[in-house]
Amino acid sequence: NAGVTQTPKFRILKIGQSMTLQCTQDMNHNYMYWYRQDPGMGLKLIYYSVGAGITDKGEVPNGYNVSRSTTEDFPLRLELAAPSQTSVYFCASSYSMGGNTEAFFGQGTRLTVV
Amino acid sequence: AQTVTQSQPEMSVQEAETVTLSCTYDTSESNYYLFWYKQPPSRQMILVIRQEAYKQQNATENRFSVNFQKAAKSFSLKISDSQLGDTAMYFCAFLVNAGKSTFGDGTTLTVKP
Repeated sequence: NAGVTQTPKFRILKIGQSMTLQCTQDMNHNYMYWYRQDPGMGLKLIYYSVGAGITDKGEVPNGYNVSRSTTEDFPLRLELAAPSQTSVYFCASSYSMGGNTEAFFGQGTRLTVV
Repeated sequence: AQTVTQSQPEMSVQEAETVTLSCTYDTSESNYYLFWYKQPPSRQMILVIRQEAYKQQNATENRFSVNFQKAAKSFSLKISDSQLGDTAMYFCAFLVNAGKSTFGDGTTLTVKP
């Protein structure tokens, strides 16, 4: 089982450039999440989705967009990259949102904006 | 808004000894879940243990156990018989629903041989 797969693993962007972080899961999970982890800090929720076609903002959504056209895929779009978006980005999925189900995380994407 | 505080940025322990990582949180919610995640240098987030707030019994997973004090809003992690592979960053996390999750800033644990 591949679990949650994120691509790319590393990326350097110039200020103002755009990019899409890809996330796919093969566990047929309804719930998917995007987090960012700044150096020395915990994860902050950017966006989440409770199923195909349904997305909602988390704690830090500004500067990002998401879509969920299929159960498997949940891409994160950065439209105008800024240095403040330098971070490690994690995608995660879970069968349900309850604490009795485990969230599975991808390996993360380290993004640097220069 | 929920807050999660991990007051120990770094800790160390000798191999085979016991260590406790502390976590406190603040919320007005009555139903929620608490987690400890491990993040080794590989960056992978690994679930260590979880606790449902309405359950009074403390969760245990092999060498890992929690001390959950709901009234005090405290959720500490005890690691017994520490192993070198336990060296990692440990995050305490709080979940109400899919859109409400809060992570602490982490505790870096080093297990010394």
